[in-house]
Amino acid sequence: TQLLEQSPQFLSIQEGENLTVYCNSSSVFSSLQWYRQEPGEGPVLLVTVVTGGEVKKLKRLTFQFGDARKDSSLHITAAQPGDTGLYLCALHTGGFKTIFGAGTRLFVKA
Amino acid sequence: SQTIHQWPATLVQPVGSPLSLECTVEGTSNPNLYWYRQAAGRGLQLLFYSVGIGQISSEVPQNLSASRPQDRQFILSSKKLLLSDSGFYLCASDRGTRETQYFGPGTRLLVL
Repeated sequence: TQLLEQSPQFLSIQEGENLTVYCNSSSVFSSLQWYRQEPGEGPVLLVTVVTGGEVKKLKRLTFQFGDARKDSSLHITAAQPGDTGLYLCALHTGGFKTIFGAGTRLFVKA
Repeated sequence: SQTIHQWPATLVQPVGSPLSLECTVEGTSNPNLYWYRQAAGRGLQLLFYSVGIGQISSEVPQNLSASRPQDRQFILSSKKLLLSDSGFYLCASDRGTRETQYFGPGTRLLVL
């Protein structure tokens, strides 16, 4: 059984602080996606990473894919209240099933 | 870009009543479609996926069923709801690549 763990589960920080959240898998995967979900809405795709060691930037968000393709991190610089939400990582193994982590719930206080 | 519609947005139903949740997709053809359930504090659980009209695969045994009467329509049903069916139901679509999925706004179901 493949496991996907996200940490921390919950994070509350002040506006302007930096943070990193992690996603770790027990297995190698073909691609990984990061989503952000706001309460009562569906997850919105942020990025897809497919290459070991890959780094992608989306404004203040930096996504890194581990060399061994078993882990990923999301770093947010100078967090803003608009970054508040549930950050989900999802890994794809090549079939129809995508495995989602339980998410990191981020709260950024103004 | 594709757009995914779900309705209703919120539903409160008594135990034992039937259920029908609908999902439609715009902006793409021949997508793979998915139904997920999300419980509070937990990840998304895949319930069903479909690769084409009339083709349904079930991932988890339960009292729910799914149907795909048209290419861009996916329906989640139940004949008799259980309390444990409460949750947030999400429909997702990919462009047939099986890689990146895009989600609808979700339906919050409360069974009383």
